[in-house]
Amino acid sequence: SQQGEEDPQALSIQEGENATMNCSYKTSINNLQWYRQNSGRGLVHLILIRSNEREKHSGRLRVTLDTSKKSSSLLITASRAADTASYFCATDTLYNQGGKLIFGQGTELSVKP
Amino acid sequence: GAVVSQHPSRVICKSGTSVKIECRSLDFQATTMFWYRQFPKQSLMLMATSNEGSKATYEQGVEKDKFLINHASLTLSTLTVTSAHPEDSSFYICSASDPGKSYNEQFFGPGTRLTVL
Repeated sequence: SQQGEEDPQALSIQEGENATMNCSYKTSINNLQWYRQNSGRGLVHLILIRSNEREKHSGRLRVTLDTSKKSSSLLITASRAADTASYFCATDTLYNQGGKLIFGQGTELSVKP
Repeated sequence: GAVVSQHPSRVICKSGTSVKIECRSLDFQATTMFWYRQFPKQSLMLMATSNEGSKATYEQGVEKDKFLINHASLTLSTLTVTSAHPEDSSFYICSASDPGKSYNEQFFGPGTRLTVL
């Protein structure tokens, strides 16, 4: 299966700073989703952006999508120690076979108090 | 939001035994469930798509005789790791799509940590 790439693989910042994570993918998509995973736990859905959208906000989260570059970014503003987690992008491809999502490699975010 | 549960959350077994993991959608009916595998510090790898009332669709490289999937009802899918070996030790996560949603948001279970001795 094709997977996207995310960068950076790991990001360490101080509380209050902004965190930006990037995701690239390979095939045309219906939508792109961002998920969060705390260590050893399941995934929590954060935000979805459709292929015809360029930017979306949800609280301290801002997601952008550039379909010409096949890339997306997730910005977390005013980070908190509780934001420490792994973040994954997942794509719902245009010629989706059965609704499966393709996950990126993830970014491990550490927010130091 | 929709809730998906997994049982057990953690299992330790001896090499050669079989282990069954359950995935349940608690407040919605899921015609499709997905099974993922995750190694430490890595991303989720889709193993198979489980469809209620029909055979599962396995991803390339996943042994269907090794990882048996049964989706007997609209709220339950099971993954059985047969004749488990230490290399099968991993974190297994299921997810379910809510057909009532207009987009493909998947709801994830909390995962099952399998350790094969």
